[in-house]
Amino acid sequence: DSGVTQTPKHLITATGQRVTLRCSPRSGDLSVYWYQQSLDQGLQFLIHYYNGEERAKGNILERFSAQQFPDLHSELNLSSLELGDSALYFCASSEDRGYGYTFGSGTRLTVV
Amino acid sequence: GENVEQHPSTLSVQEGDSAVIKCTYSDSASNYFPWYKQELGKGPQLIIDIRSNVGEKKDQRIAVTLNKTAKHFSLHITETQPEDSAVYFCAASMDSNYQLIWGAGTKLIIKP
Repeated sequence: DSGVTQTPKHLITATGQRVTLRCSPRSGDLSVYWYQQSLDQGLQFLIHYYNGEERAKGNILERFSAQQFPDLHSELNLSSLELGDSALYFCASSEDRGYGYTFGSGTRLTVV
Repeated sequence: GENVEQHPSTLSVQEGDSAVIKCTYSDSASNYFPWYKQELGKGPQLIIDIRSNVGEKKDQRIAVTLNKTAKHFSLHITETQPEDSAVYFCAASMDSNYQLIWGAGTKLIIKP
């Protein structure tokens, strides 16, 4: 157990639907990062939150949004889902300036 | 911005032999270089990292070397074992931001 908790582990949904992925960071970590990993692909950075504030955006689609709550957990919202959104979505947390990311075990999203 | 290139994309070695994965970075301001191991179906896990004030770091069978002049760093795995089979990612970051810039990954295959 890495200390970063992601739920759900698996999600199957239909095109056009909306889903919410949840991440609880490791205790004491203020930063949360979201990544997308398609089959046999690398890690695509989506967005970074630090202590409730958005710090950086990567290649995140307008259909996707995220937030970090006062208790530091984060949610990634994916809407108007397309087949191409099927992927593993990882959350990572870190205590400080990006050193020593700890990843969760991911949410596998399948859009049918 | 920073760019990290990783080679090779796939590496197959005989069990017991050594494996070397290389990464180059573009921004001389980068000063933190972690390596992550991702096993099938799991999130990436930090295995070793190095900061720019150090040229080499070892942890049992794993070592990382850094050449700041040439702007490249390498992961060395000695006496490879079947459990070393995984995808390995390198990354780089700098103090001015919280972001890790990732390499594309190397699939390491250990042949029995």
